[in-house]
Order: sequence, then C-alpha cells, then structure tokens
Amino acid sequence: GAGVSQSPRYKVAKRGQDVALRCDPISGHVSLFWYQQALGQGPEFLTYFQNEAQLDKSGLPSDRFFAERPEGSVSTLKIQRTQQEDSAVYLCASSLKMGFNEKLFFGSGTQLSVL
Amino acid sequence: DAKTTQPNSMESNEEEPVHLPCNHSTISGTDYIHWYRQLPSQGPEYVIHGLTSNVNNRMASLAIAEDRKSSTLILHRATLRDAAVYYCIGGTSGTYKYIFGTGTRLKVLA
Repeated sequence: GAGVSQSPRYKVAKRGQDVALRCDPISGHVSLFWYQQALGQGPEFLTYFQNEAQLDKSGLPSDRFFAERPEGSVSTLKIQRTQQEDSAVYLCASSLKMGFNEKLFFGSGTQLSVL
Repeated sequence: DAKTTQPNSMESNEEEPVHLPCNHSTISGTDYIHWYRQLPSQGPEYVIHGLTSNVNNRMASLAIAEDRKSSTLILHRATLRDAAVYYCIGGTSGTYKYIFGTGTRLKVLA
C-alpha cells in the first residue's frame, strides 16, 4: 500500500519486557514523527527525524524510550523495561519534506498494553 | 510551544454546516495552522492548513482571523462520517513539532 504502515497492530507485554515498534513511512518521505496517545487524549509528540538524523527527542518520556531510523526510511521505537504507564497507542507519521507547510500522513498506530 | 484551545465537544445535525473554533494566541507570525481529524481506532487524518488567508479544499474551509489568534474550521454539510475528534495545531517556532491539544469531539446527529 501507499500509506504509512505500522507493526505490530497490537502488542501485549509483561511489565519489565522490552518492546520494539516498527514504522514504514511513505516511500521518499524525508520526515518521520512518533507520537504517543493515551486513552481519551490527543497525540503527544515524542520525537522526529529528518532522514536518518533525529532532530528533536524532547518528547521522549524517559531514557527507557529510544528511536532510530538508521537508513532514513524505516524507523523503530524501542521501549525498555516497559511499565504500565507506557500503555498507549503509538502513532507514526511521515511527511514529504521537513517544514510546517507539510501535511502529515499517519499510520493506524500500535496499541501497546503493558500488564 | 504554541498552545491551542478548543471546545471539548460540539454537536451538529446532518446536512448542516459546522463551525469548529480554535484559539492559538501564542502562534508566531510564520507558523501555519493545521487541522487534523481522528476517527475511532485510526490515526489522525489531514484536513486542511493555512497561514494567513482563508483556504478551501474538498473536505473543508479554514477561516483565519486577521490577527491570526484564532481560526475556524468549516464543514459545509456535515455527514455522519464527519463524526470524529478534530485537532487544531499551531506551529512551534524553531522546530517542526506538530503539537496536538485535546481536540473537539464532533457528534453528528441524523
């Protein structure tokens, strides 16, 4: 498909486990964003990339959260030693270029449940 | 970060116009105003964006106040498929963060 693809769609983890969430942006899109959305809340910014460079990671809630995009396309959000408060939907978005005049295209998200 | 303020919820009758307001008094002069909407169990979807003048597309219209401290998203004829949470987003100078607020939940009545 031509859209942003995220996998897995659902992930259940036991507290303390590490998880890795994958995002395949639209081909050719330079910018990639990660958001966290708790139930009933708006998406909260986590981090963004321009190609492989992580330009802003100010939204990552703790050092347990780590994101990478080594070849400037696919991105992985890793959460180490998951906690119950990490339960949320994790959304990935991409845009063709970097800039606030660009449309964001979102994936359907990965719903993470930490038990 | 540019902060936006929206009503928590609104209702509209089907086939009638809907005006969704947003205040963004801290937005800087070069930051675009974006609107996205989110249907249940889906990621947000782009609706429209603009800088200073009013904008129209096939989904909606965006009316931006002259002082840019507020804007209004206009759905000309609401349908049941327009029921969603609508987010207004202001830019953040110096970065490219898109900061979502809590949005307005639009309910469309048949």
